[in-house]
Order: sequence, then structure tokens, then C-alpha cells
Amino acid sequence: KAGVTQTPRYLIKTRGQQVTLSCSPISGHRSVSWYQQTPGQGLQFLFEYFSETQRNKGNFPGRFSGRQFSNSRSEMNVSTLELGDSALYLCASSLVGQSKETQYFGPGTRLLVL
Amino acid sequence: GENVEQHPSTLSVQEGDSAVIKCTYSDSASNYFPWYKQELGKGPQLIIDIRSNVGEKKDQRIAVTLNKTAKHFSLHITETQPEDSAVYFCAAQTGANNLFFGTGTRLTVIP
Repeated sequence: KAGVTQTPRYLIKTRGQQVTLSCSPISGHRSVSWYQQTPGQGLQFLFEYFSETQRNKGNFPGRFSGRQFSNSRSEMNVSTLELGDSALYLCASSLVGQSKETQYFGPGTRLLVL
Repeated sequence: GENVEQHPSTLSVQEGDSAVIKCTYSDSASNYFPWYKQELGKGPQLIIDIRSNVGEKKDQRIAVTLNKTAKHFSLHITETQPEDSAVYFCAAQTGANNLFFGTGTRLTVIP
């Protein structure tokens, strides 16, 4: 069974631009969560999608948004990029996203904002 | 919200020795505690997890213990090998499907 895949793996953008990252969950998984990883703040939860609906949201500004498609694939978008948005963006999938369910992470997309 | 603290931040051990990483959490409603290993250039990989109705769980050389009263849980790796070198993260989850992570421990196993 294929794992979680994320594209692209690396991305360089300039301040003010916007970016879209993509995540394909493990086959059969319907919950997709996004996390931001930085050296200073560590791993922080962005949001979670299930059945094309955002079900849970972390403490990030509205410039960070996402969506999920009917095949459970998910995208996240960051608008008006800032230098501080440079990070590794990780996607994790689980079956239905219920309590105590294991989340499996993808390799991440490394975003550099110049 | 939940706050997870993890110690130590770095740990060096000789090959064959044991390694212990400790985490504490603040929200008594947390009921799921996974541990992830992250190697350079890769995403976190689940190595073991424990749920709140269990005090200890073991999988070959890896074990996790949970003390709900004290709100702490620990990862134990025995007979360490060079391939165990990586960054390890503990995490805690409450009812919602989002994980709160510790700050990570960089484990180095010296051959």
C-alpha cells in the first residue's frame, strides 16, 4: 500500500506570492491533517479535513487555507507569503480521524520564502 | 490548549546502551500518545503509541510507559543501534484529531 505522498517536495517563492501544496492520503484514508514544522516553533497543527469539510483548525492566520476533494486528496494554500512561512509542511492521513487513531505522515514539502 | 514538554533535547549514547526520552502533558483529557521518529529529509514515522487505558506497551527494543496521574510518558529504546540515530517526537491528542507535539530529542548512537 502506497504511503502519503506530497507534491512538490521543494518550493522557492518570494514574499507576497501565494503557494499551493498537494497531499494524497493513503488509499482508503478519509481524514487529512496539515502541520507546519519550523526550527523555532516545532510541529504545529494547521487544520484537518474530512469528507471535504474542515473539521478542526489550529491557531494560524487566515492566509493559510485548505480544501479536500471527493477522492480525499487535499491541498493547502498560503497567500501573501511572508519570510516566516518558510517551513516544512507535512500532511498526515488517517482512516476517519477519530480519537486515538494513528496518523501517518508524508515526506513533506519544504517551502523557502525569499 | 494542550502543552507537551519533552526532555532531553539532545541525547548521545554508546551503541548497545539504552536511551530514555521523557514527556509531560498538561491536558488531563489527552488520551492518545504516539511517538514519531524523523530522519533527515523525511516525514515523521510512527514507531509506537499508547492509549490512555494502558500503562505500558512494548515492541521489540522499544517500549513506552504512561503515568496518567503524573501526566507523563516515556520512550525507552534498549540495545541501541546506529540506525536509531534520528530526532524523536512525542505527541498527545485530546478528543479532536490534532496532535500536540513535543520539541523533539536528537538521539545520536555512537558506534
